[in-house]
Amino acid sequence: DVKVTQSSRYLVKRTGEKVFLECVQDMDHENMFWYRQDPGLGLRLIYFSYDVKMKEKGDIPEGYSVSREKKERFSLILESASTNQTSMYLCASGISKLYSYEQYFGPGTRLTVT
Amino acid sequence: AQSVTQLGSHVSVSEGALVLLRCNYSSSVPPYLFWYVQYPNQGLQLLLKYTTGATLVKGINGFEAEFKKSETSFHLTKPSAHMSDAAEYFCSQAAGNKLTFGGGTRVLVKP
Repeated sequence: DVKVTQSSRYLVKRTGEKVFLECVQDMDHENMFWYRQDPGLGLRLIYFSYDVKMKEKGDIPEGYSVSREKKERFSLILESASTNQTSMYLCASGISKLYSYEQYFGPGTRLTVT
Repeated sequence: AQSVTQLGSHVSVSEGALVLLRCNYSSSVPPYLFWYVQYPNQGLQLLLKYTTGATLVKGINGFEAEFKKSETSFHLTKPSAHMSDAAEYFCSQAAGNKLTFGGGTRVLVKP
């Protein structure tokens, strides 16, 4: 079974703090993704990476950055946390090949910024 | 840009009744379509997918979905709801490496 793990299930941070969310996958997938999930908005893509040291902006990259130094690990960074970044953050990994664009999700990190 | 619309943010069904969750996608060639389920305090789990071939797709836990190109729809159904089906369901569409998600539909199952 594919396993995607996230470093924390719950996190509380103060406004202005630098926040690191870590994600690790064990299936040697090329692609990794960070989403935020908000009620009524579904999942929105923040950043994704299709290879080590490569990154692409998603639909809502403002206020976030990412790092992928190893294939299995993808980090999301909030340089200066703000209250509007309070949300559920989901990491996913996947392969992309013809007829298969499945993604496998971690359990999520619920971040509260006070 | 791709867009996915799920009609109804909340659906309430009685145990044993039909579950019907509606999803419309933006037209693209080809449309790779997915339904994911999220149980409380968990990540998303793939229920089923349509990529090519048969338009009626069967998934896990008795769910199925029908791809209708003329209606740009990919509605999810289950003939008989079970209490364990209470969860949030997301329809999504693939474009390249990326998935675009609908807003989600939360299903409540009444005994």
